[in-house]
Parts: sequence; C-alpha cells; structure tokens
Amino acid sequence: DQQVKQNSPSLSVQEGRISILNCDYTNSMFDYFLWYKKYPAEGPTFLISISSIKDKNEDGRFTVFLNKSAKHLSLHIVPSQPGDSAVYFCAARRGADGLTFGKGTHLIIQP
Amino acid sequence: EPEVTQTPSHQVTQMGQEVILRCVPISNHLYFYWYRQILGQKVEFLVSFYNNEISEKSEIFDDQFSVERPDGSNFTLKIRSTKLEDSAMYFCASITDRGYNSPLHFGNGTRLTVT
Repeated sequence: DQQVKQNSPSLSVQEGRISILNCDYTNSMFDYFLWYKKYPAEGPTFLISISSIKDKNEDGRFTVFLNKSAKHLSLHIVPSQPGDSAVYFCAARRGADGLTFGKGTHLIIQP
Repeated sequence: EPEVTQTPSHQVTQMGQEVILRCVPISNHLYFYWYRQILGQKVEFLVSFYNNEISEKSEIFDDQFSVERPDGSNFTLKIRSTKLEDSAMYFCASITDRGYNSPLHFGNGTRLTVT
C-alpha cells in the first residue's frame, strides 16, 4: 500500500534550469510533508517541509508546493546546481506518527 | 551542527545470529526512531521511542526486534535472530518534539548484511 508515491524514479535537468520533483499521496489524514535529500552512503538530510495548512513554503532555491485537493506536492529547485544531484525522498506524517516515505527520485543535474 | 551518529557503519552477520545496532541521537532530542531501507526500495518506518517506551511501531517491527535506551545517550536496535531479508540500511533518527517545525534528523546508517 503506497500511501506516498513518487512516480518518477529519475529526472535529468540541465544546470541552471528548474528541477521539479513530484509526489502524490493517498492518505488525507497526513498533515505534515517533508522533502529529504540523500547522497550515497549517507542518511537522508532534511531539506524543506510544509504543513497542511499552507500551500507554499520557500527556502532559498527550494520551494515546496502543496495542493491538498489533488493530494499532490512538488519540490522546485531553481536554479539547479551540480551539487543537487542526489535522491530526493518525499515523506508525510499524520500527527505524531512516524514518517511515510516515497520511493525516491534520483535527480541528475547535467552540466 | 549536532549530528546523529550510528555505529558500526557496516555489520556482517550470519543468519540466526543476534545483532545490536547503535545510535547516539542529538543530545537535546526527545523522540527517537529507527527506519530501514532495503536495497532499491523505499525508506520504511520501524519504530518510535519516547520517554523510555515504544510509542509506535510498524508491522515490520515484530518480536525479533527490540529497542532500548540503556543510558542517557545511546539508543539501540536489537535483532534477536537475523534473517536474510533483514539485510538493509538501518537509519536512526531523532527529533526535539513532534511539532510542525520539527523534521527528523537522520544518522548515516548501518549497513546490515546477513549471510
């Protein structure tokens, strides 16, 4: 039962352009959403989050958009940089429960 | 910046053996978690721990698994009798509280290989 889905296993973007990573969820009880970035041989690193009471949160080059009616969130990275190449995990939480992760999207930034 | 540290980075064990994975959460954090990631699959929640007891666990966390905070700094995951399918990366995480502005902080993981 995939409550959090990332349908693109990989995404290739040219350096300087916008990267858009997408995530869909099925559990309408989720109230907190997070994006994590993961390099090989390292643990997930928190990137940005959004509460279900908001529809947008911005932090530097990273912006997360939440569309509750569509149960969809996206992460925008602009401009994309070579160091952004990593696996990005979408995660969701309901109240005090543990995080539910998507399968991840491997972002490749091409020079 | 404070970090969650995990030891060892790689553990190899034979099927049926007991293993203990160790974690030192960030010192002022109050909630502790274990997650695992089987190669090529998603990160999966195992268990959360608060105030010296399990607060939530997933279906994966069966009787073969246990967690403990034996002193003020360590947080351990024990697998009593390992199976081949327990081979995975195990991540420890901690958080100060469960408010909306409190993301989990993860360690770099322990790669468990069961042969």
